[in-house]
Amino acid sequence: ETGVTQSPTHLIKTRGQQVTLRCSSQSGHNTVSWYQQALGQGPQFIFQYYREEENGRGNFPPRFSGLQFPNYSSELNVNALELDDSALYLCASRYRDSYNEQFFGPGTRLTVL
Amino acid sequence: KQEVTQIPAALSVPEGENLVLNCSFTDSAIYNLQWFRQDPGKGLTSLLLIQSSQREQTSGRLNASLDKSSGRSTLYIAASQPGDSATYLCAVRISGGYNKLIFGAGTRLAVHP
Repeated sequence: ETGVTQSPTHLIKTRGQQVTLRCSSQSGHNTVSWYQQALGQGPQFIFQYYREEENGRGNFPPRFSGLQFPNYSSELNVNALELDDSALYLCASRYRDSYNEQFFGPGTRLTVL
Repeated sequence: KQEVTQIPAALSVPEGENLVLNCSFTDSAIYNLQWFRQDPGKGLTSLLLIQSSQREQTSGRLNASLDKSSGRSTLYIAASQPGDSATYLCAVRISGGYNKLIFGAGTRLAVHP
């Protein structure tokens, strides 16, 4: 039990639609990161938020965006969905600037048809 | 550019064997290295975290070593059990900047009775 929850568990969308995925972190975990994991591959870093601001981004287009809220919850928004966006989306949280490990949520499985 | 490789990609062993999973990375300027376990369709469970200044970490039947100079880490699993069947991922956190983890593609382990 990592204390990180994600919703929904599964989601099916069609190409061109928009989707919002949600993550709730432990109290005090002021850094949250989002990852995309395609089938059979390791997770790929999308972006990171610290104190409600994005402060790091991987090789993902602007249609991937996020929000972080003061209550340690966060969102990943994806616009204009493409078939290749089908993946497991993971969020991870931790205390910033510490040696603490990252704690991952169970993920949201997104299928784009 | 940091790249993480895991060998072997898949492993099938009888119960009771001692196992070694390998992880290599191309840039030794890492902050730490983390080993995760992932059950099918699930999130990531952190197993061991090794800081860049450390050589190894142990937890129960698991032991992970880190050799920064050669860009290698190994995860040793003693007396394997069917419940150990899962995918094992290693990830490095790069030095400086933000909290990005770079993952390998994982080793899929099957332990049969």
